[in-house]
Amino acid sequence: GAGVSQTPSNKVTEKGKYVELRCDPISGHTALYWYRQSLGQGPEFLIYFQGTGAADDSGLPNDRFFAVRPEGSVSTLKIQRTERGDSAVYLCASSPTGLSYNEQFFGPGTRLTVL
Amino acid sequence: GNSVTQMEGPVTLSEEAFLTINCTYTATGYPSLFWYVQYPGEGLQLLLKATKADDKGSNKGFEATYRKETTSFHLEKGSVQVSDSAVYFCALSDPGANSKLTFGKGITLSVRP
Repeated sequence: GAGVSQTPSNKVTEKGKYVELRCDPISGHTALYWYRQSLGQGPEFLIYFQGTGAADDSGLPNDRFFAVRPEGSVSTLKIQRTERGDSAVYLCASSPTGLSYNEQFFGPGTRLTVL
Repeated sequence: GNSVTQMEGPVTLSEEAFLTINCTYTATGYPSLFWYVQYPGEGLQLLLKATKADDKGSNKGFEATYRKETTSFHLEKGSVQVSDSAVYFCALSDPGANSKLTFGKGITLSVRP
């Protein structure tokens, strides 16, 4: 079956612009996570959805970052007024139920470059 | 808060050498522990996991044992192959922290023929 997909695979934008990153999780997975991975680092948690609601957004760095999952499937991560420090690979993952022992299935990531 | 510490890399080994990658953790609850791997040009994928103390996770010849007394989850393989060249991440998921994964920095393994 299809895995987690993310679009675009690469995004180059200018400082101050708005960007949207999309994630299509595995069908039927209720839990969806966003992570950010900077060069040479492990992924860092941003936000977790259970169904349509954001169950934990404690990892969002500031109010320029926002994410939605309106129908409990596709999610969009939105970044306003992008800064050079936002440059990173943004990873999406999904899991069947969100229980802590569940494997999380990762997408290939979106590489965001802010010039 | 939760944290994962991995040994510094990179690591370069000859084929058929023994591999150990150290991982220690700090958690407030009773976490599940994972090793994820990222092969060149591919996304992160689960290598193995253990969900309670003394459990051993294993896959593709790799093993790791959940040691609560030493808060460790070291990854081992008896004989590495060139195809094992990848970046390895240790991670934990704390049921008291909404199942989000906390990752270590990752370590790059290169295996030469």
